[in-house]
Amino acid sequence: GNSVTQMEGPVTLSEEAFLTINCTYTATGYPSLFWYVQYPGEGLQLLLKATKADDKGSNKGFEATYRKETTSFHLEKGSVQVSDSAVYFCALSGLGDSGYSTLTFGKGTMLLVSP
Amino acid sequence: ETGVTQTPRHLVMGMTNKKSLKCEQHLGHNAMYWYKQSAKKPLELMFVYNFKEQTENNSVPSRFSPECPNSSHLFLHLHTLQPEDSALYLCASSQEGTGTSSYNEQFFGPGTRLTVL
Repeated sequence: GNSVTQMEGPVTLSEEAFLTINCTYTATGYPSLFWYVQYPGEGLQLLLKATKADDKGSNKGFEATYRKETTSFHLEKGSVQVSDSAVYFCALSGLGDSGYSTLTFGKGTMLLVSP
Repeated sequence: ETGVTQTPRHLVMGMTNKKSLKCEQHLGHNAMYWYKQSAKKPLELMFVYNFKEQTENNSVPSRFSPECPNSSHLFLHLHTLQPEDSALYLCASSQEGTGTSSYNEQFFGPGTRLTVL
Protein backbone atom coordinates (compact mmCIF):
# COMPACT_ATOMS: atom_id res chain seq x y z
CA GLY A 1 0.00 0.00 0.00
CA ASN A 2 0.90 3.68 -0.08
CA SER A 3 3.00 5.22 2.69
CA VAL A 4 4.74 8.48 3.50
CA THR A 5 7.74 8.90 5.79
CA GLN A 6 8.76 12.28 7.19
CA MET A 7 11.61 13.29 9.39
CA GLU A 8 10.63 13.50 13.03
CA GLY A 9 10.54 16.84 14.73
CA PRO A 10 10.51 19.21 16.23
CA VAL A 11 12.80 21.11 13.93
CA THR A 12 14.07 24.18 15.77
CA LEU A 13 15.57 27.04 13.78
CA SER A 14 16.44 30.68 14.19
CA GLU A 15 14.77 33.26 11.99
CA GLU A 16 16.31 33.53 8.49
CA ALA A 17 17.81 30.03 8.68
CA PHE A 18 17.49 27.54 5.81
CA LEU A 19 14.82 24.86 6.18
CA THR A 20 14.69 21.31 4.85
CA ILE A 21 12.06 18.80 5.88
CA ASN A 22 12.61 15.40 4.30
CA CYS A 23 9.78 13.33 2.87
CA THR A 24 9.96 9.99 1.08
CA TYR A 25 7.11 7.88 -0.18
CA THR A 26 6.09 4.44 -1.34
CA ALA A 27 3.30 4.20 -3.85
CA THR A 28 2.02 2.26 -6.81
CA GLY A 29 1.45 4.12 -10.02
CA TYR A 30 2.07 7.83 -10.33
CA PRO A 31 0.77 9.69 -7.30
CA SER A 32 0.44 13.42 -6.85
CA LEU A 33 2.44 14.81 -3.93
CA PHE A 34 1.46 17.53 -1.48
CA TRP A 35 2.71 19.52 1.45
CA TYR A 36 0.07 20.69 3.92
CA VAL A 37 0.63 23.05 6.84
CA GLN A 38 -1.30 23.17 10.11
CA TYR A 39 -1.03 26.30 12.23
CA PRO A 40 -1.95 26.05 15.93
CA GLY A 41 -5.70 25.63 16.47
CA GLU A 42 -6.46 25.31 12.77
CA GLY A 43 -7.11 22.64 10.16
CA LEU A 44 -4.72 21.69 7.39
CA GLN A 45 -4.03 24.08 4.52
CA LEU A 46 -2.50 23.10 1.21
CA LEU A 47 0.96 24.64 0.93
CA LEU A 48 2.09 23.30 -2.44
CA LYS A 49 1.72 20.33 -4.75
CA ALA A 50 3.33 18.53 -7.67
CA THR A 51 1.48 16.16 -9.97
CA LYS A 52 4.26 14.50 -11.98
CA ALA A 53 7.95 13.68 -11.85
CA ASP A 54 10.35 16.65 -11.89
CA ASP A 55 7.55 19.12 -11.16
CA LYS A 56 8.43 21.78 -8.62
CA GLY A 57 5.70 23.08 -6.36
CA SER A 58 6.21 26.47 -4.74
CA ASN A 59 4.29 28.85 -2.51
CA LYS A 60 5.15 31.53 0.09
CA GLY A 61 8.88 30.92 -0.40
CA PHE A 62 8.55 27.16 0.13
CA GLU A 63 9.58 24.74 -2.62
CA ALA A 64 9.53 20.99 -3.17
CA THR A 65 10.53 18.94 -6.23
CA TYR A 66 8.92 15.62 -7.16
CA ARG A 67 11.86 13.20 -7.47
CA LYS A 68 10.67 9.88 -8.83
CA GLU A 69 14.14 8.31 -8.89
CA THR A 70 14.57 8.84 -5.16
CA THR A 71 10.84 8.74 -4.31
CA SER A 72 11.24 12.00 -2.42
CA PHE A 73 9.47 15.34 -2.06
CA HIS A 74 11.60 17.35 0.36
CA LEU A 75 10.31 20.73 1.53
CA GLU A 76 12.74 23.68 1.51
CA LYS A 77 12.71 27.36 2.33
CA GLY A 78 15.68 29.66 2.09
CA SER A 79 14.86 31.95 5.02
CA VAL A 80 12.26 30.99 7.61
CA GLN A 81 10.20 33.42 9.67
CA VAL A 82 8.67 33.10 13.12
CA SER A 83 5.27 32.97 11.41
CA ASP A 84 6.30 29.73 9.67
CA SER A 85 6.10 27.88 12.99
CA ALA A 86 3.56 25.13 12.39
CA VAL A 87 3.25 21.41 11.69
CA TYR A 88 4.03 20.34 8.12
CA PHE A 89 2.51 17.22 6.56
CA CYS A 90 3.72 15.47 3.44
CA ALA A 91 1.00 13.56 1.59
CA LEU A 92 0.40 11.59 -1.55
CA SER A 93 -2.77 11.11 -3.51
CA GLY A 94 -3.56 7.75 -4.95
CA LEU A 95 -6.52 5.60 -5.82
CA GLY A 96 -8.35 3.96 -2.96
CA ASP A 97 -10.23 0.72 -3.22
CA SER A 98 -13.28 2.61 -4.41
CA GLY A 99 -11.50 3.95 -7.48
CA TYR A 100 -11.58 7.49 -6.10
CA SER A 101 -8.52 9.33 -4.89
CA THR A 102 -7.52 9.30 -1.24
CA LEU A 103 -4.71 11.05 0.61
CA THR A 104 -2.04 9.23 2.62
CA PHE A 105 -0.30 11.49 5.14
CA GLY A 106 3.02 11.38 6.92
CA LYS A 107 3.09 11.84 10.69
CA GLY A 108 3.87 15.54 10.42
CA THR A 109 6.95 17.56 11.37
CA MET A 110 6.69 20.41 13.83
CA LEU A 111 8.75 23.49 12.95
CA LEU A 112 9.63 26.01 15.66
CA VAL A 113 11.26 29.26 14.57
CA SER A 114 12.69 31.60 17.18
CA PRO A 115 13.44 35.33 16.69
CA GLU B 1 -10.81 30.54 5.31
CA THR B 2 -10.89 27.36 3.22
CA GLY B 3 -14.60 27.20 2.44
CA VAL B 4 -15.14 24.27 4.80
CA THR B 5 -16.77 24.94 8.16
CA GLN B 6 -17.14 22.63 11.13
CA THR B 7 -19.31 22.87 14.24
CA PRO B 8 -18.87 22.73 17.10
CA ARG B 9 -15.20 23.69 17.39
CA HIS B 10 -14.95 22.08 20.82
CA LEU B 11 -17.03 19.29 22.37
CA VAL B 12 -16.83 17.56 25.72
CA MET B 13 -19.01 14.50 26.19
CA GLY B 14 -19.48 11.60 28.54
CA MET B 15 -19.25 8.02 27.39
CA THR B 16 -23.02 7.57 27.45
CA ASN B 17 -23.85 10.72 25.49
CA LYS B 18 -24.96 10.99 21.89
CA LYS B 19 -23.67 13.94 19.89
CA SER B 20 -23.12 14.91 16.27
CA LEU B 21 -20.38 16.77 14.45
CA LYS B 22 -21.33 18.85 11.45
CA CYS B 23 -19.35 19.81 8.39
CA GLU B 24 -20.41 22.08 5.54
CA GLN B 25 -18.51 22.94 2.41
CA HIS B 26 -19.22 26.00 0.25
CA LEU B 27 -16.96 25.02 -2.63
CA GLY B 28 -19.30 23.01 -4.82
CA HIS B 29 -17.23 19.87 -4.29
CA ASN B 30 -18.62 16.37 -4.72
CA ALA B 31 -16.49 14.43 -2.24
CA MET B 32 -16.23 14.80 1.55
CA TYR B 33 -14.05 13.12 4.13
CA TRP B 34 -13.75 12.57 7.89
CA TYR B 35 -10.29 12.28 9.44
CA LYS B 36 -9.17 11.65 13.00
CA GLN B 37 -6.05 13.41 14.27
CA SER B 38 -4.63 12.06 17.52
CA ALA B 39 -1.51 13.22 19.27
CA LYS B 40 1.67 11.65 17.86
CA LYS B 41 -0.20 9.55 15.28
CA PRO B 42 -0.66 10.07 11.55
CA LEU B 43 -3.89 11.46 10.26
CA GLU B 44 -6.38 8.62 9.97
CA LEU B 45 -8.92 8.58 7.19
CA MET B 46 -12.25 7.43 8.62
CA PHE B 47 -14.89 7.84 5.92
CA VAL B 48 -15.16 9.03 2.35
CA TYR B 49 -18.28 10.10 0.52
CA ASN B 50 -18.26 10.59 -3.24
CA PHE B 51 -21.37 11.88 -4.92
CA LYS B 52 -23.14 11.36 -1.57
CA GLU B 53 -22.32 7.66 -1.45
CA GLN B 54 -19.98 6.21 1.12
CA THR B 55 -17.04 4.75 -0.75
CA GLU B 56 -14.50 4.18 2.00
CA ASN B 57 -14.87 3.00 5.57
CA ASN B 58 -11.49 2.31 7.09
CA SER B 59 -12.46 -0.18 9.79
CA VAL B 60 -14.01 2.49 11.95
CA PRO B 61 -15.92 1.27 15.04
CA SER B 62 -19.69 1.38 14.78
CA ARG B 63 -19.90 3.97 17.56
CA PHE B 64 -19.01 6.43 14.77
CA SER B 65 -21.81 6.78 12.23
CA PRO B 66 -21.47 9.11 9.22
CA GLU B 67 -24.29 10.72 7.31
CA CYS B 68 -24.14 12.66 4.06
CA PRO B 69 -27.59 14.04 3.19
CA ASN B 70 -26.29 16.07 0.24
CA SER B 71 -22.99 16.96 -1.36
CA SER B 72 -22.53 20.05 0.85
CA HIS B 73 -23.13 18.54 4.29
CA LEU B 74 -21.51 15.77 6.24
CA PHE B 75 -22.26 14.62 9.75
CA LEU B 76 -20.51 12.32 12.17
CA HIS B 77 -22.86 10.87 14.78
CA LEU B 78 -21.22 9.78 18.00
CA HIS B 79 -22.53 7.42 20.66
CA THR B 80 -21.05 5.47 23.57
CA LEU B 81 -17.56 6.74 22.83
CA GLN B 82 -14.43 5.81 24.75
CA PRO B 83 -11.79 8.14 26.22
CA GLU B 84 -9.33 7.01 23.52
CA ASP B 85 -11.67 8.55 20.96
CA SER B 86 -10.64 12.00 22.21
CA ALA B 87 -8.98 13.71 19.24
CA LEU B 88 -9.29 16.43 16.64
CA TYR B 89 -11.81 15.43 13.98
CA LEU B 90 -11.20 17.03 10.63
CA CYS B 91 -13.55 17.30 7.70
CA ALA B 92 -12.32 17.86 4.15
CA SER B 93 -13.78 18.16 0.68
CA SER B 94 -12.51 17.86 -2.88
CA GLN B 95 -13.73 17.89 -6.43
CA GLU B 96 -13.35 14.39 -7.81
CA GLY B 97 -13.95 12.91 -11.21
CA THR B 98 -13.75 9.24 -12.04
CA GLY B 99 -10.69 7.43 -13.30
CA THR B 100 -7.03 7.99 -12.66
CA SER B 101 -6.51 11.64 -13.44
CA SER B 102 -8.49 13.29 -10.69
CA TYR B 103 -5.92 13.61 -7.91
CA ASN B 104 -7.22 16.92 -6.64
CA GLU B 105 -6.24 18.51 -3.38
CA GLN B 106 -8.50 18.36 -0.38
CA PHE B 107 -9.67 21.44 1.50
CA PHE B 108 -9.89 21.07 5.26
CA GLY B 109 -12.10 22.59 7.91
CA PRO B 110 -10.70 23.84 11.23
CA GLY B 111 -11.68 20.67 13.06
CA THR B 112 -13.70 19.76 16.15
CA ARG B 113 -11.66 19.13 19.29
CA LEU B 114 -13.47 16.23 21.01
CA THR B 115 -12.86 15.22 24.61
CA VAL B 116 -14.53 12.09 25.95
CA LEU B 117 -14.68 11.85 29.73
